[in-house]
Amino acid sequence: QLQLQESGPGLVKPSETLPLTCTVSGGSISTSGYYWGWIRQPPGKGLEWIGSIYYSGNTYYNPSLKSRITISVDTSKNQFSLKLSSVTAADTAVYYCARRQAGVGVDPWGQGTLVTVSS
Amino acid sequence: ETVMTQSPATLSVSPGERATLSCRASQSVSSNLAWYQQKPGQAPRLLIYGASTRATGIPARFSGSGSGTDFTLTISSLQSEDFAVYYCQQYNDWPPETFGQGTKLQIK
Repeated sequence: QLQLQESGPGLVKPSETLPLTCTVSGGSISTSGYYWGWIRQPPGKGLEWIGSIYYSGNTYYNPSLKSRITISVDTSKNQFSLKLSSVTAADTAVYYCARRQAGVGVDPWGQGTLVTVSS
Repeated sequence: ETVMTQSPATLSVSPGERATLSCRASQSVSSNLAWYQQKPGQAPRLLIYGASTRATGIPARFSGSGSGTDFTLTISSLQSEDFAVYYCQQYNDWPPETFGQGTKLQIK
């Protein structure tokens, strides 16, 4: 059974870079037809798609965040990562990593990790 | 960017009754639409993809319909575990993939 697990700091200072890693277990990140992505949810609010990456390295970013995000993949470790720069309080959210299959929805999701931006 | 609008924001239904949730896209997304259920403190769970195909393990009381710009999620005979927030998502015109703002289904 495929599982995803986010890891990273729970607290980041304003203007710094938020780094998160998603470790995939129970399956290979290099399987064709799957995109590996990040979605966030501010406390009490809805879902926002951040971006995704194909195992080949092709990336797809939300234009609203594009100037601040970098998503990368490490197939040797079966991991993919997110870096969000110049964070502000508005970036405080639960960050989920997830898999999406072409033509299908997002499944499965990681359990999510709360990242708070505060000094 | 394709904007997804869900209605109503909150829906109050009694257990055993039917719930009908709506999702409208600002432009056609064909059938590239998914529905998710989210319970407090949990990650969303995929219910429906391709507008009408149930994901693995999803009970038959969940059904999706629609294409183009108008979509519906129907839950027949609501069970206690069905009270949650539901989101629609389009993946036709991306990036970005976009979600609706959610419909909270609560017990009447």
